[in-house]
Amino acid sequence: DAGITQSPRYKITETGRQVTLMCHQTWSHSYMFWYRQDLGHGLRLIYYSAAADITDKGEVPDGYVVSRSKTENFPLTLESATRSQTSVYFCASGAARPGAVDGYTFGSGTRLTVV
Amino acid sequence: QKEVEQDPGPLSVPEGAIVSLNCTYSNSAFQYFMWYRQYSRKGPELLMYTYSSGNKEDGRFTAQVDKSSKYISLFIRDSQPSDSATYLCAMSPYNQGGKLIFGQGTELSVKP
Repeated sequence: DAGITQSPRYKITETGRQVTLMCHQTWSHSYMFWYRQDLGHGLRLIYYSAAADITDKGEVPDGYVVSRSKTENFPLTLESATRSQTSVYFCASGAARPGAVDGYTFGSGTRLTVV
Repeated sequence: QKEVEQDPGPLSVPEGAIVSLNCTYSNSAFQYFMWYRQYSRKGPELLMYTYSSGNKEDGRFTAQVDKSSKYISLFIRDSQPSDSATYLCAMSPYNQGGKLIFGQGTELSVKP
């Protein structure tokens, strides 16, 4: 199926554990993003990538690692999960800069709880 | 101070009302302005997009950008219960790659 998919949809993990959230898109979009959404903060950018092997930090990158060896995949890893990383994580992709008429497309989100 | 400010609401209106949603911003480099709609437990979806200043209309929705005041608005005419969602403004500077900076989102409820 064409689109952008995130997995898992729900995840509960313990403090200190490493966890990886997956994001896969089928359009070969050059841009991919990871956002977290928290009450009172809206969507905050964690990391983004303009192309394979090119990544850059966003607003809240501490405690997260990303990689992009293939254009279609953009995994997000929490190296040592903390309770403050409990959030809903959204992946997004887009063909070009935001000036493109179609903007960016978001996945359905991963709801992560760190206990 | 956040780069993009948006009143989180919640905002409750009767069906058929005109809804006005607003965002202010501080970064004069923002050139691209978008409105996303997010239903509960779903990802945001692009609703409207404008470049620089001006108005854009799409059916019942109108987006306005006033760069001199650093202020953007989304108007919804003849609001429907199906418009009940969270509306997020988003902006991007021309000189910082593809990053989108979001407002906090305004929760809208349209009552039948």
